[in-house]
Amino acid sequence: QKEVEQNSGPLSVPEGAIASLNCTYSDRVSQSFFWYRQYSGKSPELIMSIYSNGDKEDGRFTAQLNKASQYVSLLIRDSQPSDSATYLCAVNIAGGGADGLTFGKGTHLIIQP
Amino acid sequence: NAGVTQTPKFQVLKTGQSMTLQCAQDMNHNSMYWYRQDPGMGLRLIYYSASEGTTDKGEVPNGYNVSRLNKREFSLRLESAAPSQTSVYFCASSLDKDEKLFFGSGTQLSVL
Repeated sequence: QKEVEQNSGPLSVPEGAIASLNCTYSDRVSQSFFWYRQYSGKSPELIMSIYSNGDKEDGRFTAQLNKASQYVSLLIRDSQPSDSATYLCAVNIAGGGADGLTFGKGTHLIIQP
Repeated sequence: NAGVTQTPKFQVLKTGQSMTLQCAQDMNHNSMYWYRQDPGMGLRLIYYSASEGTTDKGEVPNGYNVSRLNKREFSLRLESAAPSQTSVYFCASSLDKDEKLFFGSGTQLSVL
């Protein structure tokens, strides 16, 4: 059974600080990892993708992957009130005949002005 | 370039009624998906189509059917709606199976 686990929050972070979102997954052969942002009442939108161990940076966002620990994280630097949303972690298995991406239940992030 | 378009945006059904949710993408993607999202449950895959002409069950397929009409269109049908199917439904597409997903705007469905 594939599982993706996230702390549901809410995670409250002061404006300008670094927000750190974490995700663990159960399947050791997972190859592709994604972070989606979802505003209330809206559809998920892709923020970051990461495929190999280490860090990947895109503007204020950094994704970190550690396959040995089955752990992927998202850092948001200089947090803004507009970053307040639910962040979904999604994981797939390379070559699997199954089920598309498996999503975590999401972490609700609140940036306090 | 509209991306992923799904209709309708809102729908209210009575128990036992049927309906079809429509989805179309204009990104020339091979794979398409239907997810439902419920409070506290996250996004769960109902059905997917890895490529034109194929469909497969996801995590929660019971009570649903799908049709991959062509490369662009993937519909979801509820034959006899039940209150347990009250949810927000998202269609998504990706270039290939398990690649990054692009979502439609969602359908809020209520079954009374």
